[in-house]
Amino acid sequence: AQSVTQLDSQVPVFEEAPVELRCNYSSSVSVYLFWYVQYPNQGLQLLLKYLSGSTLVKGINGFEAEFNKSQTSFHLRKPSVHISDTAEYFCAVSDRGGSARQLTFGSGTQLTVLP
Amino acid sequence: GAGVSQSPSNKVTEKGKDVELRCDPISGHTALYWYRQSLGQGLEFLIYFQGNSAPDKSGLPSDRFSAERTGGSVSTLTIQRTQQEDSAVYLCASSSQTYGYTFGSGTRLTVV
Repeated sequence: AQSVTQLDSQVPVFEEAPVELRCNYSSSVSVYLFWYVQYPNQGLQLLLKYLSGSTLVKGINGFEAEFNKSQTSFHLRKPSVHISDTAEYFCAVSDRGGSARQLTFGSGTQLTVLP
Repeated sequence: GAGVSQSPSNKVTEKGKDVELRCDPISGHTALYWYRQSLGQGLEFLIYFQGNSAPDKSGLPSDRFSAERTGGSVSTLTIQRTQQEDSAVYLCASSSQTYGYTFGSGTRLTVV
């Protein structure tokens, strides 16, 4: 079984400032890692995913995340945020070995970009 | 279709009534998932369908919840005798190669 911890429930940041949304996971097996974004009244949209290879993963809208196996972390970063990045962000993990690929989600981080 | 379609988008029901939520996945996607998103919380896995295999129902919170998937395509999540704690957004997702999902916009269920 896996679990995901998103350490910050709310992150306010000014426009054009950098941001980091933290995610830590716990698993007894190797995992795949994902970040999703949810805009108000919409479903979840995949931002980026780590399956294998380079630990630095680039996604849409200028976001990137780095997989750190020793620290079991997968923090999401953006060097300069825009008002339009205001949304809820979810980190998720799935078991590499299982066939179901069921995702376990964190509780989410609300990013609010202030003018 | 182009995306995962869920209906209705909003549903208000009286406590004790039954409700049906519908999910129309992306054509050709063999895997279909239902999740529940309660206010201020993450996504809670409910049930998973993969092709013709028996569904994984391990996330259903009580026997009032059931789901079916007809013809390997459309799925219906049924909640019987709704309770106020059932109020949440119910999200459906489908997947083809099992790496990452495509989510629908969800059904916001309010039990009054």
